[in-house]
Amino acid sequence: QSVLTQPPSASGTPGQRVTISCSGSSSNIGGNAVNWYQQLPGTAPKLLIYSNDQRPAGVPDRFSGSKSGSSGSLAISGLRSEDEADYYCLAWDDSLNAWVFGGGTKLTV
Amino acid sequence: QVQLVQSGSEVKKSGASVKVSCKASGYGFRDYYIHWVRQAPGQGLEWMGRIDPTNGGTRYAQKFQGRVTLTRDTSINSAYMEINSLKFDDTAFYFCARGRQQVWLYWGQGTLVTVSS
Repeated sequence: QSVLTQPPSASGTPGQRVTISCSGSSSNIGGNAVNWYQQLPGTAPKLLIYSNDQRPAGVPDRFSGSKSGSSGSLAISGLRSEDEADYYCLAWDDSLNAWVFGGGTKLTV
Repeated sequence: QVQLVQSGSEVKKSGASVKVSCKASGYGFRDYYIHWVRQAPGQGLEWMGRIDPTNGGTRYAQKFQGRVTLTRDTSINSAYMEINSLKFDDTAFYFCARGRQQVWLYWGQGTLVTVSS
């Protein structure tokens, strides 16, 4: 059971906009930033969003992040087939003194 | 360019130990933490711990405290993750990642550790 809760799956058709949620508590997302990773099959995770809503260089602006209270969200607009992957949220937890991942969301396009 | 290159796959017997390396290049090794993350087959990501290459300071997830040891060798810009008393459910891919606060931009390619009987 992950400390951060994500839906196990999400889906959309090409061109659509999808949103993936990450629900936490006051000890993690409520007091700290949320970060998002994309993992394609057989590869290492790739940083998509850090500090709630910041994109590293090279990440398309189709990917955006937000945070409200103890929950974070990742939005993907203009969905493409290559976006089909697993997505994970990550945040620091003050009670556990540890980084915690969400359980992951498998996106099907 | 920044690279983290991990050691190759390992097959170990239950109860044995394994040590995975992560060699960094293309940046100041002491300037960033090295985090270790594992992923069991078909499962999600799990943070194990991190090491500060500057002073060797470590922090571990409670689950791994006492069974996992993180070390580094600054002379060869390498970090290491050792697990003792391997169990079958330690079978997983193990990743190292370079991190500064929220930004873990560079990751190793992953090392598969298989625990067999």
